[in-house]
This record gives sequence, structure tokens and C-alpha cells, in this order.
Amino acid sequence: AQSVAQPEDQVNVAEGNPLTVKCTYSVSGNPYLFWYVQYPNRGLQFLLKYITGDNLVKGSYGFEAEFNKSQTSFHLKKPSALVSDSALYFCAVRDGGNTPLVFGKGTRLSVIA
Amino acid sequence: DAGVIQSPRHEVTEMGQEVTLRCKPISGHNSLFWYRQTMMRGLELLIYFNNNVPIDDSGMPEDRFSAKMPNASFSTLKIQPSEPRDSAVYFCASTTGGAQAGTQYFGPGTRLTVL
Repeated sequence: AQSVAQPEDQVNVAEGNPLTVKCTYSVSGNPYLFWYVQYPNRGLQFLLKYITGDNLVKGSYGFEAEFNKSQTSFHLKKPSALVSDSALYFCAVRDGGNTPLVFGKGTRLSVIA
Repeated sequence: DAGVIQSPRHEVTEMGQEVTLRCKPISGHNSLFWYRQTMMRGLELLIYFNNNVPIDDSGMPEDRFSAKMPNASFSTLKIQPSEPRDSAVYFCASTTGGAQAGTQYFGPGTRLTVL
């Protein structure tokens, strides 16, 4: 069975500092990995995904994520945080088959000015 | 593209009433998902369809919940009778296979309050 763990419920970072939101996963086959962001009273918005290829994936709004197969991790990063990045972030995984995404519990990012 | 469309955006009803939530997926997408989000339980997959056929409804909490997809452009999630514990935000998402590799696109959600 597929699973995703987001070990931090809350991440606080000062504006301008780098940010990292952690995610680890478990799948039986090759992982398809995703990050979504949810702003207040909105649906989830797709940020980026890893399917194959380069381990460093670049996505929307300056975010990137690094796939690490040996550590089964897919951490979300941004070099310089903005206050507007404050939101709820979800990591998700599916295997190579025709299965739905499995979402983590979410990490609330708070960027302080 | 208009994205995934959900209606109503907000619904307030009284316990025991029937509630119907509606979803229009992105044109051309062949998979549709219904999720429920609460503070306590996070994001839960309720049911999903491939090519209008229900594939997995194991996430549907009780027989009070039912979902249909009569055609590729419309789906409903019905709760009958509704209970206060059904209060949540319900999301619909759609995707297609192939090169999209399962990227789900979410609607804005329906916030349901059962009094």
C-alpha cells in the first residue's frame, strides 16, 4: 500500500530565508510524487511533480523539490520565502499503476515578515 | 479552460435533509475523484470513477453517501439523510492518464454545514 508522511504539522520561517517542507513516501513500485498547495478557502493547487528524470524538479512560484530514492523522500524547497507562500502544503504519491493519489496530512507553512 | 466546477460553493442544511453536491470535471479528463476535508481527519478520498464507472468506493463513510457519474461531464455526491458530522469541505478533482501521469486538478470545493 502507498503512504506518505509529512512529519511536521507546522513550519515557521522568516521572510527571505530558505524553506523546506518535508515528505517521505512508501510505494511498492516506481513512485509518482506530487506537491500541492492550499490557500485559505480554496481548493488544492498543483505545484510540481516527479515522474522520472532529473531528481530536482522545478515548479510554480519558485518552488522546487528533490527526489531522493535512497531516503524515499521528496522535500519541497524554496530559496527565499515570501509571506504570500503561507499556506497548507500537501505531498502526494501514486505508484506507476492506475491508482489515485495518496495524500499526506499536510504541513502548514507560516512565513513571518 | 474553466477548470473543475463545483456547485454549490456553500450549503447550509438541517439534520435529516438530503444534500446533493455537483461537479463538472475538466473536459477530456476521464477520471473523477470526490474528497472530504476536515480539520480532524484531513483529506479523505471518498470515491473515484474511471470513464464514468465507479472503481473504488471504500472511502464512502456510510450508506447515507452515494455518488453517480451519468456522463463524462457531470457527477453528483448525495448525502441522505445528512448529519452534523457530515459538515466538511467536499472537493471534486479530475485527471487524465497518459503524459499527465495522474496530476489531479481540484475544484474550489463545497463547504457543507449540517445544523
